[in-house]
Amino acid sequence: AQKITQTQPGMFVQEKEAVTLDCTYDTSDQSYGLFWYKQPSSGEMIFLIYQGSYDEQNATEGRYSLNFQKARKSANLVISASQLGDSAMYFCAMREALMDSSYKLIFGSGTRLLVRP
Amino acid sequence: DAGVTQSPTHLIKTRGQQVTLRCSPKSGHDTVSWYQQALGQGPQFIFQYYEEEERQRGNFPDRFSGHQFPNYSSELNVNALLLGDSALYLCASTPFREGVYGYTFGSGTRLTVV
Repeated sequence: AQKITQTQPGMFVQEKEAVTLDCTYDTSDQSYGLFWYKQPSSGEMIFLIYQGSYDEQNATEGRYSLNFQKARKSANLVISASQLGDSAMYFCAMREALMDSSYKLIFGSGTRLLVRP
Repeated sequence: DAGVTQSPTHLIKTRGQQVTLRCSPKSGHDTVSWYQQALGQGPQFIFQYYEEEERQRGNFPDRFSGHQFPNYSSELNVNALLLGDSALYLCASTPFREGVYGYTFGSGTRLTVV
C-alpha cells in the first residue's frame, strides 16, 4: 500500500524567508504523482503544485517549488519569500489507483506552518 | 464562477442519530468525491460518485452512504453516528476525465458527534 509521511507537525518561518516542508512517500509503482495542498483555517484544500514521477525537472509554481528526489522517495515543498498569508496546514498527497482505473488521493498527516512577522 | 459549495458548515449531532451533508460541485464538474478529515490528520477517501452511481469506495462501513443527483450535486449520509465520526467532511468535484488532477475542494462540513 502507498503511504505518505510528513514528519514535521509544526514549523515556524520568518516573513520573507524560505521554508522547506518535508514529505516522504512509499510506493511500489513506477508511475505515480505527488501533490501538495494548502489548507487554511477556512477548511478548503487548495492545490499548490504537482510532480509526476517521470517529470525530468522539479515542478515550480510561482513561489512554490518541489524538491523531488526520486531515489530518496522524497518530495519536499519549498516556499520562497514567505508571506503572512502562507500560515496554514500543508498536506502532501499521492494519487492511488482505484479498481476502475480512476484515482483517489492519499494524504499525509500535514505540517502546520506559522509565518512570523 | 462558484466553486464547490458544502452545507451546512457546522453540525452537532447526538450519538446514534443520522446526518446528511450536501455538496454542490463546481460548474462543469460531473464527479464528486467525499473525504473525511479527522482532527490532526489528513483527509481519507470515503467514496466517489459519477453518473449518479457510487463508483469507488474507501475503507468505510456501510453506515456511510451517498447519492448523486442529475444536476451532479451529492449527499453524504451517515447513520448510527459514533463519536469517532466527528470530523471535517470535504467534498471534491472534478470533471471525470481529469480525475484527481482536476479536484476542487469545498470548505467542508464540520460534524461534531456528542
